Amino acid sequence: QQPVQSPQAVILREGEDAVINCSSSKALYSVHWYRQKHGEAPVFLMILLKGGEQKGHDKISASFNEKKQQSSLYLTASQLSYSGTYFCGTEIAYYKLSFGAGTTVTVRA
Amino acid sequence: GAVVSQHPSRVICKSGTSVKIECRSLDFQATTMFWYRQFPKKSLMLMATSNEGSKATYEQGVEKDKFLINHASLTLSTLTVTSAHPEDSSFYICSASDLGNAYEQYFGPGTRLTVT
Repeated sequence: QQPVQSPQAVILREGEDAVINCSSSKALYSVHWYRQKHGEAPVFLMILLKGGEQKGHDKISASFNEKKQQSSLYLTASQLSYSGTYFCGTEIAYYKLSFGAGTTVTVRA
Repeated sequence: GAVVSQHPSRVICKSGTSVKIECRSLDFQATTMFWYRQFPKKSLMLMATSNEGSKATYEQGVEKDKFLINHASLTLSTLTVTSAHPEDSSFYICSASDLGNAYEQYFGPGTRLTVT
């Protein structure tokens, strides 16, 4: 039931772009994206609901293709503050989230 | 807004003792709270879902008699690890949600439990 995230890790220079993918074998009600920095709690980024919508948060945006049961997170013109581990949480039952293994993003100056 | 606190942030206990972890929503009423466990460099594993005033719903493989969850009010949920063993050492994180108004889960800062 755990969604599959790819890549496992990515290293970027400031200003570069990256895409993180999240796919599920189950039908999804929604997809939630979080970022966690080392030793801290995950911080909510955005939620995407059924309907194939896209959302944005500053220069971080995401899309949700419910037919393919996939979501992608787009980091545009990355900043040093974008470093951390990104988790997608897929809602497989009423408000219950299953989290992927995470994608570690390192942004270097 | 949407601040969730956890206490304690770190705790070390001896095998066989019990430890209580508190999760509080500070500026909103949390109709539902979730308890997760996270191993180093691993993802969050949902342990249980608790709704205010009712019994918690545990995920498969999680012993309800070992991990006691109480959600006595709309701002407080507690997780008690009973008769702790070294294998219970982990990072425990709660999240809270006001599901009547929003989908988002807001996470607490986590509690690092070490059982010696």
